[in-house]
Amino acid sequence: DGGITQSPKYLFRKEGQNVTLSCEQNLNHDAMYWYRQDPGQGLRLIYYSQIVNDFQKGDIAEGYSVSREKKESFPLTVTSAQKNPTAFYLCASSIGGGAGETQYFGPGTRLLVL
Amino acid sequence: DAKTTQPNSMESNEEEPVHLPCNHSTISGTDYIHWYRQLPSQGPEYVIHGLTSNVNNRMASLAIAEDRKSSTLILHRATLRDAAVYYCILRDWEHEDYKLSFGAGTTVTVRA
Repeated sequence: DGGITQSPKYLFRKEGQNVTLSCEQNLNHDAMYWYRQDPGQGLRLIYYSQIVNDFQKGDIAEGYSVSREKKESFPLTVTSAQKNPTAFYLCASSIGGGAGETQYFGPGTRLLVL
Repeated sequence: DAKTTQPNSMESNEEEPVHLPCNHSTISGTDYIHWYRQLPSQGPEYVIHGLTSNVNNRMASLAIAEDRKSSTLILHRATLRDAAVYYCILRDWEHEDYKLSFGAGTTVTVRA
């Protein structure tokens, strides 16, 4: 089955701690994205990557970091600099990065601060 | 960025059609109209998209006004599984609009 997997489903972060959210895809897609969703709101773009070893900031990149060492993987680290990290995090991928490309989403990771 | 306006919520009975309107009066000639939906506690999923002509697929139909300032997503026979938030999104193909700009969407409730 092709698709996008995110782990864990729930993640708890202590104050001052960095945490890493996993995103893996086996769709052979070049482009990958991270979005954040707060309760009752739409999604906002954190980072995106159109090709391995390259990524760009989205609208709300402060307090987050990413890497794209492999085509299949695009992990997101929520650093201690992100003061309000509690949210639903969604990873997506598309064949390319163009405007006509459908984005396919993973099931999401819910991050909670202890 | 061209914006979209959708009603906050709509209700429907099971097995009946649902017509979801979207206004986009400032749409440009290079904007595609995309629809995604998000079921509770899940990631969004693609529904349909179009540019000028009406479009049909197994999930829904998209009717686009002649002046392209509005569009309507049509679910032909609503089921309980169609209860979700539906997002109408414009994406500019000319300017490499890589991201999906989600608004608040329309929350669809389906009554059994």
